[in-house]
Amino acid sequence: DAMVIQNPRYQVTQFGKPVTLSCSQTLNHNVMYWYQQKSSQAPKLLFHYYDKDFNNEADTPDNFQSRRPNTSFCFLDIRSPGLGDAAMYLCATSRGLGPGNEKLFFGSGTQLSVL
Amino acid sequence: GIQVEQSPPDLILQEGANSTLRCNFSDSVNNLQWFHQNPWGQLINLFYIPSGTKQNGRLSATTVATERYSLLYISSSQTTDSGVYFCAASRGGGYQKVTFGTGTKLQVIP
Repeated sequence: DAMVIQNPRYQVTQFGKPVTLSCSQTLNHNVMYWYQQKSSQAPKLLFHYYDKDFNNEADTPDNFQSRRPNTSFCFLDIRSPGLGDAAMYLCATSRGLGPGNEKLFFGSGTQLSVL
Repeated sequence: GIQVEQSPPDLILQEGANSTLRCNFSDSVNNLQWFHQNPWGQLINLFYIPSGTKQNGRLSATTVATERYSLLYISSSQTTDSGVYFCAASRGGGYQKVTFGTGTKLQVIP
């Protein structure tokens, strides 16, 4: 089945130690998104790629960066994790942007803990 | 940006009962989606429904775009329906960020 896959399911890192989360998709979708979700809150969009075009949300901290080396893979890099970055990180895809193309498909998420 | 509000915030149902979840949005939308987040955190897309009515098994959804609301109906609820239900919307006119509502936490008890 076509899907969105995130690895690892759980990630533990140390305060200030860089960490990378990965996402892959077999849907051949043009858009890939990274969301941050803290406990009992709604998902918050960090950024998205439309193909190779990167779009950062205005309130996403500089500490968060992303790479999309090809259509299938997208990475979230947290350069210096703080305690406040502990959260569930969700990757999503959509076929495109605009009416009819923005149905979101989510991976199972990576739960990040910062010690 | 667009404001999305959901009600009720919490809901407890006896297994077999029916329920209606509501999503209000502050502006006209061209994108309205309903999601179920299970207890393990997985977000499942239930409906992509900017207008009209759709049904999928025991679930159905209706969006009345002119009145700026959407409803999710759950019939004959099961314990596996437990979790958090989110609606998410974006406005028309080129790319607009999808905004999630605050969610409805549903618990179905046997």
